[in-house]
Amino acid sequence: GESVGLHLPTLSVQEGDNSIINCAYSNSASDYFIWYKQESGKGPQFIIDIRSNMDKRQGQRVTVLLNKTVKHLSLQIAATQPGDSAVYFCAESQYGNKLVFGAGTILRVKS
Amino acid sequence: EPEVTQTPSHQVTQMGQEVILRCVPISNHLYFYWYRQILGQKVEFLVSFYNNEISEKSEIFDDQFSVERPDGSNFTLKIRSTKLEDSAMYFCASSEGSGGGETQYFGPGTRLLVL
Repeated sequence: GESVGLHLPTLSVQEGDNSIINCAYSNSASDYFIWYKQESGKGPQFIIDIRSNMDKRQGQRVTVLLNKTVKHLSLQIAATQPGDSAVYFCAESQYGNKLVFGAGTILRVKS
Repeated sequence: EPEVTQTPSHQVTQMGQEVILRCVPISNHLYFYWYRQILGQKVEFLVSFYNNEISEKSEIFDDQFSVERPDGSNFTLKIRSTKLEDSAMYFCASSEGSGGGETQYFGPGTRLLVL
């Protein structure tokens, strides 16, 4: 049958818990990775980025982990809040030009 | 905090008509991009622009599409003869630099509906 859209994976977490969102990227030559948050009807909002010469980077309440061996990226959100509810996209880039986005994960925070 | 702005927020047009989507990138940024997102799908790259010329474009960006920086602040995407499948959210983004690690900041998008 014809696909009418992506069926995004959904992560449901309780307010205050930690969230881990995973992403598998495709290009082993990618050297820059970024996480975006997208709320309904809005543009992607930058959360955190990491270069390929690093395997971990921390921001405010967020941590990105990069495993180049298995081409895996994760976003950890500490003490998840209702305002964190959104779709989260990872994106990869080679030489810092076009971004190639992943399919996205829906994060739902239950109060 | 500086941000990318886009106008209009919504555009409805008839198939075959021309549309121009407008963007004002962040003022000190030198690299500009257009992406689109069809409803329920992932964000897709269309084109990147630097120093008044296209630096990269995707296979989506065919002869019906063009970009322009008509003055020092605006960056436009023109679709010459819209098709039904052009209906999507169109996002403009800008970055200060390139070459590995320059963050792209996105605007709020223009929702284009082609009837």
